[in-house]
Amino acid sequence: ETGVTQSPTHLIKTRGQQVTLRCSSQSGHNTVSWYQQALGQGPQFIFQYYREEENGRGNFPPRFSGLQFPNYSSELNVNALELDDSALYLCASSSKPGHLFSGANVLTFGAGSRLTVL
Amino acid sequence: GESVGLHLPTLSVQEGDNSIINCAYSNSASDYFIWYKQESGKGPQFIIDIRSNMDKRQGQRVTVLLNKTVKHLSLQIAATQPGDSAVYFCAERQRRVQGAQKLVFGQGTRLTINP
Repeated sequence: ETGVTQSPTHLIKTRGQQVTLRCSSQSGHNTVSWYQQALGQGPQFIFQYYREEENGRGNFPPRFSGLQFPNYSSELNVNALELDDSALYLCASSSKPGHLFSGANVLTFGAGSRLTVL
Repeated sequence: GESVGLHLPTLSVQEGDNSIINCAYSNSASDYFIWYKQESGKGPQFIIDIRSNMDKRQGQRVTVLLNKTVKHLSLQIAATQPGDSAVYFCAERQRRVQGAQKLVFGQGTRLTINP
């Protein structure tokens, strides 16, 4: 059983550019959530994807967008990058989208993509 | 606003001692809580969870206590080992946000083990 894999692991962009981060969910998981983790902080929920549609969103502007593909993998896109977007972006997969996850269905996190915006 | 906070940002303990990491949460409607461990360069790793209808749950060397009266959560690690060094986050699951499941994380506590 493979875990959650993310790419790239590190990248550097300049302000105003666009970035795409990729995530492959754990085998058997059909739901993907994205979190932003600033340095020294806990992860913050960006959004969740289920059945290729956005299934809920946190307090992030529209320039943060995503996609989920039929194989359940996902992308996070951020347009018009700002300095404050520098963070670790975590992808997490689960087998259920709703409020039923617990125990074996908990979120499984990837190692993250470290984005630095200069 | 929503928040899950921690009483101490850092905790240093002697190897073999017990560790207690505390967490205060603000949303009384949260129904489920999780403790995660995050080692350097890795994503958060599930340790133990507890539902709001419970006040204690035990795992292997770990125990989570939930006090809903004061909205307090704690993680106890028995016989702390060097491999326990990490940042520990508590997280609460808030009711569906547009159908999604959303975890709200605290800032984290860095646990350091002294030999």
